[in-house]
Parts: sequence; C-alpha cells; structure tokens
Amino acid sequence: KQEVTQIPAALSVPEGENLVLNCSFTDSAIYNLQWFRQDPGKGLTSLLLIQSSQREQTSGRLNASLDKSSGRSTLYIAASQPGDSATYLCAVRPRAGNMLTFGGGTRLMVKP
Amino acid sequence: SQTIHQWPATLVQPVGSPLSLECTVEGTSNPNLYWYRQAAGRGLQLLFYSVGIGQISSEVPQNLSASRPQDRQFILSSKKLLLSDSGFYLCAWSGTGLTGELFFGEGSRLTVL
Repeated sequence: KQEVTQIPAALSVPEGENLVLNCSFTDSAIYNLQWFRQDPGKGLTSLLLIQSSQREQTSGRLNASLDKSSGRSTLYIAASQPGDSATYLCAVRPRAGNMLTFGGGTRLMVKP
Repeated sequence: SQTIHQWPATLVQPVGSPLSLECTVEGTSNPNLYWYRQAAGRGLQLLFYSVGIGQISSEVPQNLSASRPQDRQFILSSKKLLLSDSGFYLCAWSGTGLTGELFFGEGSRLTVL
C-alpha cells in the first residue's frame, strides 16, 4: 500500500527566503506526482504535475523535482512571499488505477 | 477552459437529516469524478470515484452514497446524517488523457449538529 509523507508538517520563514518542501513515497511504481496548494477553507489548487518519466517541472518561482527511484519529490519555492502562506500537499497516482494517495501536507507561513 | 462547480459552499444540518451535495464540471467530456472528505486534523480521504455515468466505486463503507446521473454531474448524498459526517467535502475531476492531472472544486463545509 502506497504511503506518502510530507516533512515538515509546518514551517515558518521570513519573507524572501528560498525554501524546500519534501514529499516521500514508499512505492516507486507511480504514474505521476502532483503538488497542490490549499488556502484555509478552500479547495486544492494544482501547482505542478510531474510525470514519472520527468525529473522536474517549473512554474514561475516554483520548481518541483522527482526522484522516483528513491521515492522523493521536493517543491522549491524561490524568494518566498507572504502570499505563499498556505498548506502544500503532494499526491502520487499509481501506474494502475485512478486513486491518488495524498501526503498530510506542509503548512507554510511566510512572515513579512 | 475547464471549470468545476460545487455547492452549497456551507451547510449546517441536524443529525438524521438528509444531505445532497452537487458537483458539475464544464468544458470537458467523460471526466473521471471524485468525492473526497477532509476532516479536521486528518488528510484527504477518497470516498467515491466514477469513470462514467452510473458507474460508482466506493472506497470506504459509510453513511454516504454517490450518484452520477449525467456525464459531468456528481452528487454526494445521505439519507440520515451522523455527527461524524461533519467535514470538508471536495469534488474533483481528471481527464481520461495521458496527464492524469487532478482538479478540485472549492469545497463544501458540512457541519452536523
């Protein structure tokens, strides 16, 4: 059974810092990995999708990497801003089936 | 472009009352549809998913049911709500293409009193 872990569970940084959020998974037989952002009381917004054949994806100040063999993904946020404060979740889709397995999320606070 | 709508956004219901949450997707056809629940302090739990009209798979036995009467409509229901049904319910969709990217609605906050 796939298990997805996100460390740290919470993170507080001053504005302007570059930061890394971690996601690890136990079964490397994945189809893709997706990073989401969730603001309080809101739905999840898709940030980046990495297919199993890819090593990284970039969108603006965000960069996500994938090391399938070691079961790890990182989300790099450059020059963090208070507006980046949210919970970030990663999820993996298996090669077979439609069910994603989600991590518990990292709650990020960027202080001005 | 594709959009997903979910309503109502907030709902307060007494124990034993019925429930109906609705989700519709626009701008795509034959999507895979999902209902998730996010309870306080817990992760996202997949409740139901559907790959087509009338095709529902349940992941967790519970007091809830789902239906897909039309291609882009997904409904979450209960005949009698329990206190434990309180939570944040999220509808999501993914295409049948190669990317498999998942998109979520804005969520419905249900409080059962």
